[in-house]
Amino acid sequence: AQKVTQAQTEISVVEKEDVTLDCVYETRDTTYYLFWYKQPPSGELVFLIRRNSFDEQNEISGRYSWNFQKSTSSFNFTITASQVVDSAVYFCALRDTGRRALTFGSGTRLQVQP
Amino acid sequence: DADVTQTPRNRITKTGKRIMLECSQTKGHDRMYWYRQDPGLGLRLIYYSFDVKDINKGEISDGYSVSRQAQAKFSLSLESAIPNQTALYFCATSDTTGLPDTQYFGPGTRLTVL
Repeated sequence: AQKVTQAQTEISVVEKEDVTLDCVYETRDTTYYLFWYKQPPSGELVFLIRRNSFDEQNEISGRYSWNFQKSTSSFNFTITASQVVDSAVYFCALRDTGRRALTFGSGTRLQVQP
Repeated sequence: DADVTQTPRNRITKTGKRIMLECSQTKGHDRMYWYRQDPGLGLRLIYYSFDVKDINKGEISDGYSVSRQAQAKFSLSLESAIPNQTALYFCATSDTTGLPDTQYFGPGTRLTVL
């Protein structure tokens, strides 16, 4: 069965600090997709990134970067020079071939203090 | 205008009442989903539909039913609401083209059952 673990329930940092959100997943499939979503205080879910299991290249988008390591079944998310607007709950999710929808982790609440 | 809309955005109801949550999308996607979010549990799948004639139960479908009235509309019903169905409900859509399996979420419906 598939499972996504976000062990960090809540993280608090001061603005401009770098922060890494951890995501560990379990699946028996060799083909799968990993996602990160952001849920700001307003409540909507915003898609950030999708990565498939065949592409282990790390990705950078502005202050955001993602580190995918199949050897450790991890897909971690780093925010560089955090800002107050980054305060949100961040969810990691998995979609494998055995399940036709997403399996979400329990989320990490990030608080960025000014 | 938002691509995925949900109505109502907030609803307070009483135990035993029937309630319907509606979802509409203008993204032209074939696949639609209903999730619920509870604090500390992430999002869990209630039902999903890959086209108008294909409806499937998710991991927590008991107490819920759905109707896919058209490609663009997917409704979730609580036949007899109970307090532990108090949650934030999200509708999502995805497509088989573009970034397949990437789900795009509506703004959510906050439901309170007294």
